[in-house]
This record gives sequence, C-alpha cells and structure tokens, in this order.
Amino acid sequence: EPEVTQTPSHQVTQMGQEVILRCVPISNHLYFYWYRQILGQKVEFLVSFYNNEISEKSEIFDDQFSVERPDGSNFTLKIRSTKLEDSAMYFCASKAEQGQSDTFGSGTRLTVV
Amino acid sequence: GDSVTQMEGPVTLSEEAFLTINCTYTATGYPSLFWYVQYPGEGLQLLLKATKADDKGSNKGFEATYRKETTSFHLEKGSVQVSDSAVYFCALRSSGSARQLTFGSGTQLTVLP
Repeated sequence: EPEVTQTPSHQVTQMGQEVILRCVPISNHLYFYWYRQILGQKVEFLVSFYNNEISEKSEIFDDQFSVERPDGSNFTLKIRSTKLEDSAMYFCASKAEQGQSDTFGSGTRLTVV
Repeated sequence: GDSVTQMEGPVTLSEEAFLTINCTYTATGYPSLFWYVQYPGEGLQLLLKATKADDKGSNKGFEATYRKETTSFHLEKGSVQVSDSAVYFCALRSSGSARQLTFGSGTQLTVLP
C-alpha cells in the first residue's frame, strides 16, 4: 500500500537553528498538509498546500515557517529559527482529491534544546 | 470555529471488554467525521469515517454513528483485544472537503490480557 514517508524520524536541534522536515507524499496526490502535536496535546493544523501554493494556514504558521514542494515529489516544512516551544511531533499528510481520505506519515519528532 | 471534544484518557480495559470513547463536535454546516488511530511509533491511520447524519462508519469491529441531533460521533467496540491498544483521535472536516482536519485531544487505550 502506498505510504507517506517522513524523514528524519527524530531530529534534535539547538534553539535558533533552522530545521527542514521532509515528506514524500503519495505520488498521485494533489493536496498536502502539515500538522503538529505537542506532547500530550491535540494534533493541530499548520498549513495546507495545493497547486503549488499555500491554500490555508493556521495562526501557528507564522513567518518562521515555510513550505516548499521543490521537485514535484518532496514536500518540506522549514522552521527558520527554532524555539523551545517548537518541540513537537510533526505529521505530513496527503490526499488525491477532494472527498478522498488523508494518508498520514509516521511523523518527525523535533526536539529543540 | 470548529472544535472536537473527546473523552479524556487514559482508558484501561481488560480483553473482551466493551469500549466506548465519547466524541462531540462543534462545526458549521455538515462536517465529515473521522476516527484515527495511532499505534505506538506509527503515524495516524484512518479507522473509520462518516460523511452525513445517521451514517455509521465501521472497520475492524469498531463502529461510530454520526448523530447530528447530539453532535456526537462516539466510538464503540464490543470486544477489545490487546492489539487495539493505541491512541484514538476523533476529527472533523468542515464542508469544503479540501480543508484541514480538526482533531480532538486523543484517548490512550490500553487493553490488558
């Protein structure tokens, strides 16, 4: 069964450093999403991406965050200058079309020290 | 805005016990409703869904019925197994099916042999 692949599974970074979280969505999918889950809290929406542009973003997704689909297969989330409160599990998801279900990756655990 | 309220956990049951995890929601219009499951070390997997009132989603012995009058989507299983131990998330997607999912806080289920 096709999968959404996320790398790395765990990343530790120093506060103030830039991180890039990588996702390879399922190849024929058109809609892409990033979510995060701070330990013990809800899964929160960050951003959705369609047709090579951001379609929606939450209040969390401020100027420190950006997304790219640089080569038609990868979908990346960049955090420009990490803060301690960015420590969370980050999930990528994709789906083929409206009305279809989302497929999630297994997540990247980001720890900012 | 949209919100999902989910029964607080953790929930610990003996094998073959009956499971109910409560979920209520607030949304405008007619959202689609979902249950996702997260097994240890894995991503979010769609367990079941319902897209309109009175629909019943079912999968792997789990069921949930979309109740518009009570704005609820409670998850049930008649006889749980040790392998059902996981975190369960209730979620909704508002009308406009390219939109993001809104999640509940998750319920940790542990089933003891």
